[in-house]
Amino acid sequence: DIQMTQSPSSLSASVGDRVTITCRASQGISNYLAWYQQKPGKVPKLLIYAASTLQSGVPSRFSGSGSGTDFTLTISSLQPEDVATYYCQQYNSAHITFGQGTRLEIK
Amino acid sequence: EVQLVESGGGLVQPGGSLRLSCSASGFTFSIYAMHWVRQAPGKGLEYVSSISGNGGSTYHPDSVKGRFTISRDNSKNTLYLQMSSLTAEDTALYSCVKGREGGGYHSRAFDYWGQGTLVTVSS
Repeated sequence: DIQMTQSPSSLSASVGDRVTITCRASQGISNYLAWYQQKPGKVPKLLIYAASTLQSGVPSRFSGSGSGTDFTLTISSLQPEDVATYYCQQYNSAHITFGQGTRLEIK
Repeated sequence: EVQLVESGGGLVQPGGSLRLSCSASGFTFSIYAMHWVRQAPGKGLEYVSSISGNGGSTYHPDSVKGRFTISRDNSKNTLYLQMSSLTAEDTALYSCVKGREGGGYHSRAFDYWGQGTLVTVSS
């Protein structure tokens, strides 16, 4: 199985800050990576797929990059409504796996 | 509007069985891969199973292989998950999810999620 490791596990930042979350795959996955946002009590929402393609309707302050084993999710200017847990997901393998999640809070 | 509504969860004893259903609407169900994902209370996301649009191809990871079976009835726009030999580690919220359009690998990114049905395995 492909292991997905996110860092940090949690972070606190101020409104307007640039925030970066990283995700590392235990083996190369090309660009078969997605990012999800899960707000408290809600279902996950697809933000980005194919490592860097923004899903329709997602604000442009979200962006993704990377290929192979190392990926990043960036929020260019943190907003209060971005408080959530963020998950990466690899789908290179038929056995889809998720990262453990990164909890984002407002400082 | 895409809607995915799960049902069938509940309290079941260890070793028991349960069948989950997911009623889909708002899209052409038969052309999309569908999946089940679970989330234990306070924990992260765990992939459970996948099925192709025509139902001809399925995948179950080792954690559930031989115990869980995904299936679909395209005439009823319904996805199923038959679960057996349940253990406490299977306690979770089970969500039905729709794969993205376009086929290929990127259809394994999930663009719509149901609210989930809670399965509790306990004596």
